[in-house]
Amino acid sequence: DAKTTQPPSMDCAEGRAANLPCNHSTISGNEYVYWYRQIHSQGPQYIIHGLKNNETNEMASLIITEDRKSSTLILPHATLRDTAVYYCIVPNAGKSTFGDGTTLTVKP
Amino acid sequence: GAGVSQSPRYKVAKRGQDVALRCDPISGHVSLFWYQQALGQGPEFLTYFQNEAQLDKSGLPSDRFFAERPEGSVSTLKIQRTQQEDSAVYLCASSSNGQGYGYTFGSGTRLTVV
Repeated sequence: DAKTTQPPSMDCAEGRAANLPCNHSTISGNEYVYWYRQIHSQGPQYIIHGLKNNETNEMASLIITEDRKSSTLILPHATLRDTAVYYCIVPNAGKSTFGDGTTLTVKP
Repeated sequence: GAGVSQSPRYKVAKRGQDVALRCDPISGHVSLFWYQQALGQGPEFLTYFQNEAQLDKSGLPSDRFFAERPEGSVSTLKIQRTQQEDSAVYLCASSSNGQGYGYTFGSGTRLTVV
């Protein structure tokens, strides 16, 4: 499966947009990008996924570059409850490599 | 049930003891995954089932680790002769399609080997 690279940590002010980047330069044409987040002591929670078009749901927006080598997860109005570890993954044949993700800290 | 259920939530085992961790996936979910998560790290893939077939067990760290899903629903991860390095959170996830995308995770079992 394609390797993903994310910054280890980011801060965001409460109420502002949080933009979390992910590089997946080895992604192949039919592989999706998935985003999950994990709050302490819980299992990872699905947020959003996409192939090549930008996607939006009630939790977040996903922007995928035209060459599909990177993507950005956008939380439009971050709250304190959005503090978590965010993982970008590219599953392949049932197996996913999570890496260490980005720890997002939303500050008052 | 409404979500993926794992039991026990916490397990303390003496070194050398055998343990069994249970996962009840969402009803009807074809795919089931086990992950191991060490403190401060992301989940690491262990094994993957599609129905009762174990399609990938490449992540199991040693032959002390064994997983089964005999009827294509409930799964058990067994660890024999536990060692301290086995201490971790063991996460189970299930998915409704065979590709394993869009996982729903359980809350995990925290195993501590003393």
